[in-house]
Amino acid sequence: GDSVTQMEGPVTLSEEAFLTINCTYTATGYPSLFWYVQYPGEGLQLLLKATKADDKGSNKGFEATYRKETTSFHLEKGSVQVSDSAVYFCALSDRGGADGLTFGKGTHLIIQP
Amino acid sequence: KAGVTQTPRYLIKTRGQQVTLSCSPISGHRSVSWYQQTPGQGLQFLFEYFSETQRNKGNFPGRFSGRQFSNSRSEMNVSTLELGDSALYLCASSWRDRGRETQYFGPGTRLLVL
Repeated sequence: GDSVTQMEGPVTLSEEAFLTINCTYTATGYPSLFWYVQYPGEGLQLLLKATKADDKGSNKGFEATYRKETTSFHLEKGSVQVSDSAVYFCALSDRGGADGLTFGKGTHLIIQP
Repeated sequence: KAGVTQTPRYLIKTRGQQVTLSCSPISGHRSVSWYQQTPGQGLQFLFEYFSETQRNKGNFPGRFSGRQFSNSRSEMNVSTLELGDSALYLCASSWRDRGRETQYFGPGTRLLVL
């Protein structure tokens, strides 16, 4: 079946550091890819998405590029802030969404001032 | 536009009881999906409803059921609660029933089973 693999962390960085959270996937079809963020005590917020190969999703300084050849969708940000501290989930939707969204385990990001 | 709302936000139940959770999707959205989030298993898909019909179902026992009303609001029911059902239950809505549509999540209902 489909699966998403991402580092679980916690990942601890200093403010203004460069961020990369790796995400790789396995899918039977041609999935759409998403990054969601979850702040403490809250639900999931869509951060960005990409629906086809080489698409780049971007939002709030975060970027991720759909790489079909490496089955990856790594999340990057050039300069993180304390307010970026949260849990980040990589997810895919395959086969027309028949199995809902398949999520990675989540990466806990901690940004220190 | 108002987001996805879920009620109640917190629930405490005892083993053997049943519980009903409610979800109101974003206005105009016709698809509602439910997910269970636990520290051990992460986020898992429960089921999806579209136009009052269950379209897709995850790998959960029959104790987990749901329904959708004509106004797209959805309820999820868990019968004969077990300790392992303690989790954050998230509802998500989207415009259509196609997987490539973005799903928008509510704040969740945190269920504690004692």
